[in-house]
Amino acid sequence: EDKVVQSPLSLVVHEGDTVTLNCSYEVTNFRSLLWYKQEKKAPTFLFMLTSSGIEKKSGRLSSILDKKELFSILNITATQTGDSAVYLCAVDPNFGNEKLTFGTGTRLTIIP
Amino acid sequence: GAVVSQHPSRVICKSGTSVKIECRSLDFQATTMFWYRQFPKQSLMLMATSNEGSKATYEQGVEKDKFLINHASLTLSTLTVTSAHPEDSSFYICSAQGTSGQPQHFGDGTRLSIL
Repeated sequence: EDKVVQSPLSLVVHEGDTVTLNCSYEVTNFRSLLWYKQEKKAPTFLFMLTSSGIEKKSGRLSSILDKKELFSILNITATQTGDSAVYLCAVDPNFGNEKLTFGTGTRLTIIP
Repeated sequence: GAVVSQHPSRVICKSGTSVKIECRSLDFQATTMFWYRQFPKQSLMLMATSNEGSKATYEQGVEKDKFLINHASLTLSTLTVTSAHPEDSSFYICSAQGTSGQPQHFGDGTRLSIL
């Protein structure tokens, strides 16, 4: 059974800190790994990673994939209160039916 | 780009009512749309996958006669919760995908409360 595990489950830091969120996976087939941010509504897309070692960056957020060790990290630098959310990691297995396998998420809380 | 609109955002209704939720891709054509359910503090649970013009594929344990899905065009899919009961109360989220391999983009979700 495909599995995506995120750690930590929750994280509380002060504004301005840097955080690293982890996502490891065990899947039969792999096409891409996706990161989403979920606040009070539905998830918003952050990154899609398909190749190892290539960092994707958007402002203070960055992410990288290691296909040999089967994990990805999401970094957020100079955190702000608006970064408080649940961060979801998901794997696209390339089965043709496009079903994503989601992790349980990391709940990040930024204290002012 | 890649905006998905879901409507309504919130529904409160009596037990036995049928509720229709719409999911529209506003600036792209969605080959595939997905319907998820999310319980508090849990991750998303896929209910069904739908491709335009064909029958939806339901996940194990999801009643297709209870949760009717119609994907009539490349920009619209609907989920109808038929004869809803309190146990159907949940947060329902749709997502849309333009082409194979592209990220899924999510609607804002519908919070359904059945009294």
